[in-house]
Amino acid sequence: GAGVSQSPRYKVTKRGQDVTLRCDPISSHATLYWYQQALGQGPEFLTYFNYEAQPDKSGLPSDRFSAERPEGSISTLTIQRTEQRDSAMYRCASSPEGNEQFFGPGTRLTVL
Amino acid sequence: DQQVKQNSPSLSVQEGRISILNCDYTNSMFDYFLWYKKYPAEGPTFLISISSIKDKNEDGRFTVFLNKSAKHLSLHIVPSQPGDSAVYFCAAGGWNSGGSNYKLTFGKGTLLTVNP
Repeated sequence: GAGVSQSPRYKVTKRGQDVTLRCDPISSHATLYWYQQALGQGPEFLTYFNYEAQPDKSGLPSDRFSAERPEGSISTLTIQRTEQRDSAMYRCASSPEGNEQFFGPGTRLTVL
Repeated sequence: DQQVKQNSPSLSVQEGRISILNCDYTNSMFDYFLWYKKYPAEGPTFLISISSIKDKNEDGRFTVFLNKSAKHLSLHIVPSQPGDSAVYFCAAGGWNSGGSNYKLTFGKGTLLTVNP
């Protein structure tokens, strides 16, 4: 595809359920980032991958959050035992060797 | 046209002193700013960020200051340690005019060397 895609675009879940969000980066991009964005705020860094390696998990807010990129392309972000405070837009971005990150449309997560 | 500029390619400071890294931007639509740190042969590591609604964010030895009127932000490291020696990248995030695409734009980096 021409750009970064994410699925689902919208997810509504009940508190305590697990959710998995998916990101398809631009195919030639080595680096993939996950961000959490609250309404009216900029994206807050969660974690990133360089191919399948995950050098930085410093932004993950708790151990309920985990991310994978097993083959260095598609990535998933899983939130276990969701809480209402997890409600946010979750954005994925990919980057070539360079200085720009290209963002996907995001997944709007609502935890009831 | 560089929208995010780090005009100092390198900076050298003495251990224990303050390091100040500067970043200027031109796009007033940027709403979020980040600093990344990069060691040789490694990917960038997120360091600290600030939303455009704030003017200061502090995390341990690292403080980022944002001056929106001057379109300027700076990263202060106090006290500087030899392990802080790395390349520091400034990044700014913003939406395009249609609100359909959000992008981070990075500066070219500043090499910080902290001498023992």
